[in-house]
Amino acid sequence: DADVTQTPRNRITKTGKRIMLECSQTKGHDRMYWYRQDPGLGLRLIYYSFDVKDINKGEISDGYSVSRQAQAKFSLSLESAIPNQTALYFCATSDPGQEGTSEQYFGPGTRLTVT
Amino acid sequence: GDSVTQMEGPVTLSEEAFLTINCTYTATGYPSLFWYVQYPGEGLQLLLKATKADDKGSNKGFEATYRKETTSFHLEKGSVQVSDSAVYFCAPGRRNTPLVFGKGTRLSVIA
Repeated sequence: DADVTQTPRNRITKTGKRIMLECSQTKGHDRMYWYRQDPGLGLRLIYYSFDVKDINKGEISDGYSVSRQAQAKFSLSLESAIPNQTALYFCATSDPGQEGTSEQYFGPGTRLTVT
Repeated sequence: GDSVTQMEGPVTLSEEAFLTINCTYTATGYPSLFWYVQYPGEGLQLLLKATKADDKGSNKGFEATYRKETTSFHLEKGSVQVSDSAVYFCAPGRRNTPLVFGKGTRLSVIA
């Protein structure tokens, strides 16, 4: 079984709808992240959480919100979806390690299309 | 804030050709450095990493050396295969800070 899972894997929705993307992990990591990937723009950080009580905005948080329901679960919401939120969304986790920095483990992604 | 610049793609090579993908970064202090790879239809996975100056990370025939003096972490492979076709991302990571990813470099290897 995958260590980082994302649901749904694909979603098509209409402008103005509320959408929730879910991420679960079995790695036991405290740190979780949401990124979006757009062609030519690479990965951009939306929100991140270093523990259950910690939520931080990333580079492009406008139009998004998150909820850290438990150590293993981190959800991303689009309150009112718009077409330029069409993208590939990735969840990732990490453990701080001895240096406070370590690799991030990615889920398979959710492809979201807003029409 | 931290930033990273990768050479723009796409890069198209014939099988067994030599590969270099350039990466330079701007970061406070001495970050750890990572290369990630994204195969078609998949998420990112770690390819290699280096945690201090002059360290060389290596995996699957790929190598990259942490060059503090030039703030670079160029990815190299001596002989690419069709199966190496993917998007490659460079990322510096500082203590208690999320990784900052480059825009990615798409590599296509043709037989």
